[in-house]
Amino acid sequence: GENVEQHPSTLSVQEGDSAVIKCTYSDSASNYFPWYKQELGKGPQLIIDIRSNVGEKKDQRIAVTLNKTAKHFSLHITETQPEDSAVYFCAANRGSTLGRLYFGRGTQLTVWP
Amino acid sequence: SAVISQKPSRDICQRGTSLTIQCQVDSQVTMMFWYRQQPGQSLTLIATANQGSEATYESGFVIDKFPISRPNLTFSTLTVSNMSPEDSSIYLCSVEGGGYGYTFGSGTRLTVV
Repeated sequence: GENVEQHPSTLSVQEGDSAVIKCTYSDSASNYFPWYKQELGKGPQLIIDIRSNVGEKKDQRIAVTLNKTAKHFSLHITETQPEDSAVYFCAANRGSTLGRLYFGRGTQLTVWP
Repeated sequence: SAVISQKPSRDICQRGTSLTIQCQVDSQVTMMFWYRQQPGQSLTLIATANQGSEATYESGFVIDKFPISRPNLTFSTLTVSNMSPEDSSIYLCSVEGGGYGYTFGSGTRLTVV
């Protein structure tokens, strides 16, 4: 099955700096790559996603890049704010938009004011 | 995107008892997914539930322990049976939102004592 690796497991940045979280996947058939933000006591919230026919997608301070050849994708958060502090999960969907997601282990991001 | 109402939000249960978790979606969806998230960990898929058919369980999860019902296209329940302290986790339901990505419920935080 698919194997998604996520790094780093923890990340601390100063407010205003950028944060980058990286994921790799193993199955070349995967074609959908979402990123989730999970705040304490809440369910994961989709913040951005990318499909395999696109190399980059941006939404305000958040961007995701995808390198299909290398099988890796990254989340970029610019101008970080304390409210960005949360656990971030990457995921991959194998082949079908109705199939299951495979999740990375998560990154605890802390933004210090 | 789909909106999910998950109940209860949290519960403390005695070992040996069972708890049924409900998920109600505001639109009809083909598949519903049930995940377990142990403290500080990533999301692990328990099973996929289609309306009108038996749920498909992932390796390590069995129907006797985690029976699932899917009576219609907007509702599903997960029961955690004969609970032990090792079942203490967050349980989450998820749906694929018709091209808007996968949405998660707010989760059920279960503590078994």
